[in-house]
Amino acid sequence: GNSVTQMEGPVTLSEEAFLTINCTYTATGYPSLFWYVQYPGEGLQLLLKATKADDKGSNKGFEATYRKETTSFHLEKGSVQVSDSAVYFCALLIKAAGNKLTFGGGTRVLVKP
Amino acid sequence: DGGITQSPKYLFRKEGQNVTLSCEQNLNHDAMYWYRQDPGQGLRLIYYSQIVNDFQKGDIAEGYSVSREKKESFPLTVTSAQKNPTAFYLCASTNGQTLGYTFGSGTRLTVV
Repeated sequence: GNSVTQMEGPVTLSEEAFLTINCTYTATGYPSLFWYVQYPGEGLQLLLKATKADDKGSNKGFEATYRKETTSFHLEKGSVQVSDSAVYFCALLIKAAGNKLTFGGGTRVLVKP
Repeated sequence: DGGITQSPKYLFRKEGQNVTLSCEQNLNHDAMYWYRQDPGQGLRLIYYSQIVNDFQKGDIAEGYSVSREKKESFPLTVTSAQKNPTAFYLCASTNGQTLGYTFGSGTRLTVV
């Protein structure tokens, strides 16, 4: 089956530090990959996506590259802000499987001033 | 602005009562989804619907029911058969073209 594994949190950083959240996946088929962000008490917002190998998704200073050879989609940001404190979810989607998103367990990030 | 509206934001029910969570979208999306979120467990798929008058079970459908009578609406009923209903419930939709989901802001259900 399909699954997503991401590093457990919480990840605690100081402002302007470098952030990496690891994400690896297992998929029967050729998935599209996503990162979603959830702020406290809210729904999920799409942060970035990549639909094929070697694609790089980017948004708001965050980046992730679709690595088929390592089945990974690690999220990075060079200089975090307090406002980046949230829970981040890695997810995959196989279009032939009903467009169902499969999520990782989420990683809570706390950025301290 | 287009989006997904979930209501209410907070819901309290007594054990043994059925409760229905509302999800409405004006994005003209064909597919809609219900997820359950528990602390530290990510999101798990309850039910989904790819077209009006049709829906399929997700990974944890037991104790839940849905209907899809209109394209815009996909209500979820949490029945008394659901053993542990207290959770955060998220509704989402997609048009399949962009491959991304749009999520509602969620309903936090507490059963006492």
